[in-house]
Amino acid sequence: QSVLTQPPSVSGAPWQRVTISCTGSSSNIGAGYDVHWYQQLPGTAPKLLIYGNNNRPSGVPDRFSGSKSGTSASLAITGLQAEDEADYYCQSYESSLTVFGGGTKLTVL
Amino acid sequence: QVTLRESGPALVKPTQTLTLTCTFSGFSLSTSGMCVSWIRQPPGKALEWLALIDWDDDKYYSTSLKTRLTISKDTSKNQVVLTMTNMDPVDTATYYCARMSYSSGIDYWGQGTLVTVSS
Repeated sequence: QSVLTQPPSVSGAPWQRVTISCTGSSSNIGAGYDVHWYQQLPGTAPKLLIYGNNNRPSGVPDRFSGSKSGTSASLAITGLQAEDEADYYCQSYESSLTVFGGGTKLTVL
Repeated sequence: QVTLRESGPALVKPTQTLTLTCTFSGFSLSTSGMCVSWIRQPPGKALEWLALIDWDDDKYYSTSLKTRLTISKDTSKNQVVLTMTNMDPVDTATYYCARMSYSSGIDYWGQGTLVTVSS
């Protein structure tokens, strides 16, 4: 049972917009800790997609954006492309401990 | 450039102790704010954070696994070692080491090493 709750799956057609939620509590996201997002393509290590709630590392397309409010965070992907089909994970902290969401599988229809 | 590489046994028997080594380059674990974490992922399942060691040699462990884990670093060798005692088949997973900072997240990951626990 993951500390952060994500929907198991989301789907969208090419060029659509999808969002993935990450729900925490007053012990983690709601306590003001940053949320980071990762993309994991099949058979590969995760890749940092969004850090510090809404910042994109160099090389990540601006189709990906993050937001945070209260005890939740969201990842939005606009202009959905086939290559975006992957698992997505949110991550935050509880005190000095690192916590992950259970992951969301994105299917591009 | 930053790289991390995990090494260790691919197969361990139940009740044995697993020792994994993370050898990294391109950064120093002596730099303020720098941390290395171990994270695992059972086949087809989610990521699970295990342990972290920081530049100041502070160590943090997953609440559910802390009695079984020990993390340490050798700054001169650019290595971080994780030991996990009393291995069980449910510990079968790909184990990743990764560079992280609290503000920037986990920005570099090793390729992962699959550890299977079986008699």
